[in-house]
Amino acid sequence: DAGVTQSPTHLIKTRGQQVTLRCSPKSGHDTVSWYQQALGQGPQFIFQYYEEEERQRGNFPDRFSGHQFPNYSSELNVNALLLGDSALYLCASSPDRGGYEQYFGPGTRLTVT
Amino acid sequence: GEDVEQSLFLSVREGDSSVINCTYTDSSSTYLYWYKQEPGAGLQLLTYIFSNMDMKQDQRLTVLLNKKDKHLSLRIADTQTGDSAIYFCAASGSGNTGKLIFGQGTTLQVKP
Repeated sequence: DAGVTQSPTHLIKTRGQQVTLRCSPKSGHDTVSWYQQALGQGPQFIFQYYEEEERQRGNFPDRFSGHQFPNYSSELNVNALLLGDSALYLCASSPDRGGYEQYFGPGTRLTVT
Repeated sequence: GEDVEQSLFLSVREGDSSVINCTYTDSSSTYLYWYKQEPGAGLQLLTYIFSNMDMKQDQRLTVLLNKKDKHLSLRIADTQTGDSAIYFCAASGSGNTGKLIFGQGTTLQVKP
């Protein structure tokens, strides 16, 4: 049983560019959440998708947007990249919207130069 | 507001027990979690506890919850060098919608 997968593993972008990160949830899971983990910090909740809709959002600007597909996979898009967007982006999946068991993927390391 | 706090560093000898502590502010948090993160990796779910429980044991791991004081601890028995990692405490956000509030992480160093 494949766990949560994310692509790409690493990414280097320039300020002002746009980036798309991808996540496939664990088999049987229908809810996907995205987190940003800055160096030396705990993960910060960005948003959660369920039934192809954004159900809850953390304190992140509108530059951060997402999408969930009918197969439950998800994308995180970040526009107008800033140096401060450099972080590890983690995707988590859970079997229902309550999400009492959340399993994380390995993350995508984004570096903005 | 919602906040989770942990001490930043713990050092123990191999074979000893480790106790990592965490406090949280939101009394409506339904689930409390412990995750492990090794260098360059994602988060591994170790265990979680429902807020109406005060203890949960899973092999070498024991979780204690004091709901009155909003205090959570993780005890690792017979700590091994492979347990060296960063341990994150997380609390489910209000309304139990799946949002997790994480602490800053406790770095566990296990000396041989």
